[in-house]
Amino acid sequence: AQSVTQPDIHITVSEGASLELRCNYSYGATPYLFWYVQSPGQGLQLLLKYFSGDTLVQGIKGFEAEFKRSQSSFNLRKPSVHWSDAAEYFCAVGPSGAGSYQLTFGKGTKLSVIP
Amino acid sequence: GAGVSQTPSNKVTEKGKYVELRCDPISGHTALYWYRQSLGQGPEFLIYFQGTGAADDSGLPNDRFFAVRPEGSVSTLKIQRTERGDSAVYLCASSLRGTSSYNEQFFGPGTRLTVL
Repeated sequence: AQSVTQPDIHITVSEGASLELRCNYSYGATPYLFWYVQSPGQGLQLLLKYFSGDTLVQGIKGFEAEFKRSQSSFNLRKPSVHWSDAAEYFCAVGPSGAGSYQLTFGKGTKLSVIP
Repeated sequence: GAGVSQTPSNKVTEKGKYVELRCDPISGHTALYWYRQSLGQGPEFLIYFQGTGAADDSGLPNDRFFAVRPEGSVSTLKIQRTERGDSAVYLCASSLRGTSSYNEQFFGPGTRLTVL
């Protein structure tokens, strides 16, 4: 069974500082990996995804993530955080291959930004 | 274009009552998913529709939960004899196709259900 661990429940950073949100997954093969952001009252919005190829993926809003197979990790990064980035971030894993569509989410990391 | 919409945005009900939650997917999306997000948790898969049929309902917690998608578009999640533990945000998502998690799932804003 697939699973996702986001070790940090809540992170606070200053505006302009760099950010790294951790995500570790468990899956038998190479999974599909996703990062979503959820703002209050909003649906989940996809930031970026990894399917194969280049292990460093770029997403929207200046986010990037790096897939490290040896560490079973897919950490999300941003070089300079903006106040509008305050939200909850979810890492998710989806099985690769046809006929597999269930996403398994981590418990999320809430990001607070200090002006 | 219009995204996934869900109504109502908030629903408060009493224990034992019946509720219906509605999801309007993105036009043309054949796959539709329901997830439940409890407080402090990530979304958990409930059910997946491909067209009109429920292709996978393995995530439904018990037989009080049921979902339909009669015309392959709008879906309704139905909960009978609600319990306090059913309180959560119910999220709906749709994707162009559902044959793989390769197909991006677009999420609605959710319905917050509170059972008193």
